[in-house]
Amino acid sequence: KNQVEQSPQSLIILEGKNCTLQCNYTVSPFSNLRWYKQDTGRGPVSLTIMTFSENTKSNGRYTATLDADTKQSSLHITASQLSDSASYICVVSPTNSWGKLQFGAGTQVVVTP
Amino acid sequence: NAGVTQTPKFQVLKTGQSMTLQCAQDMNHNSMYWYRQDPGMGLRLIYYSASEGTTDKGEVPNGYNVSRLNKREFSLRLESAAPSQTSVYFCASSEEMESYGYTFGSGTRLTVV
Repeated sequence: KNQVEQSPQSLIILEGKNCTLQCNYTVSPFSNLRWYKQDTGRGPVSLTIMTFSENTKSNGRYTATLDADTKQSSLHITASQLSDSASYICVVSPTNSWGKLQFGAGTQVVVTP
Repeated sequence: NAGVTQTPKFQVLKTGQSMTLQCAQDMNHNSMYWYRQDPGMGLRLIYYSASEGTTDKGEVPNGYNVSRLNKREFSLRLESAAPSQTSVYFCASSEEMESYGYTFGSGTRLTVV
């Protein structure tokens, strides 16, 4: 069973609207949690990285939150743009894993005009 | 600054054929990785190289071999391709194994018929 589960699997939103993506994980202990954006036909690109002790991290219109007690993270996209259409991947780095990251399957976001 | 360059971008193989996927990075990173990405699943680590001269198995190494040719280049070889190896392959690099900053290539879409 995947240790990182993301929801929803996909969503469609209107340009200018906000949306929130969810990530639940069972990886424990972990050192950091990352969100990546993957455009179609491209490799993932880092959006945010939070250590286990951080609660929130922003990158422009992207804000990630982390609740280590409930093992949940969310990525909030504000005022969505057409260029936000992509897959968003939650990644957890187990402690002492020597870089062996655990990837979620991603949430496919489509922003429509 | 090219980052991580993968070749080829697309490839179709017949079952039993062999091929090598090439990866090169120009960021002077010590660690390099090969992942595969399948629909509905997170990226899975095939092999990694913590530093020049070392390679180790990841989560799904069967059917693959790797070579860390020098600090810049890390190749992935399929000796006898199978339909189960149809996937998108990503090479990535980071300064060290525990570094936050992973840079991914654009991927190689491989189909085995």
